Amino acid sequence: RKEVEQDPGPFNVPEGATVAFNCTYSNSASQSFFWYRQDCRKEPKLLMSVYSSGNEDGRFTAQLNRASQYISLLIRDSKLSDSATYLCVVILNDYKLSFGAGTTVTVRA
Amino acid sequence: DTAVSQTPKYLVTQMGNDKSIKCEQNLGHDTMYWYKQDSKKFLKIMFSYNNKELIINETVPNRFSPKSPDKAHLNLHINSLELGDSAVYFCASSLPGTSSEQFFGPGTRLTVL
Repeated sequence: RKEVEQDPGPFNVPEGATVAFNCTYSNSASQSFFWYRQDCRKEPKLLMSVYSSGNEDGRFTAQLNRASQYISLLIRDSKLSDSATYLCVVILNDYKLSFGAGTTVTVRA
Repeated sequence: DTAVSQTPKYLVTQMGNDKSIKCEQNLGHDTMYWYKQDSKKFLKIMFSYNNKELIINETVPNRFSPKSPDKAHLNLHINSLELGDSAVYFCASSLPGTSSEQFFGPGTRLTVL
């Protein structure tokens, strides 16, 4: 079983729609969680950290479910500029981190 | 101001050659990393250095050798290149610890023919 698994998508949604997707992780001792965004042929950039109580940053909401070992990202009121690949990152400790293979989101006009 | 820079951006070479990729960061970070992103977009950590010392060395063929002349630079040297080495290689830096935000370079697209 992979350490971090994501639905690759693509999620193809119209502007203004809400899209949500999950990332599951295998190690229950994982400590920290992040969502990074990667545009085509560009480097990954941090989108947001994921806190135990869930957190929001504008139109983006991240949740953590430790019992079921997954994190989620929800994008409200999708914009064309939200089209990207979203990478889930799970940190086990200071020496171990894993990236998911990414979920591709395409927002159409 | 480029925070993390890599050279070259593209590298096309023949099997069996030796090549190097350079990385520099001007963020004052102590920790630097090399990642490999293959054709399936899977981003996998290869090495991590903290203050010029190796702290993470994932299962990577010993044809890959990182070198950190100072904490602002982490270069990657690859010997005897193979077809399977074709990928995008990203350098990154962060404050100490993998839980800190990582700042990535623009990537080096390596194609081995």
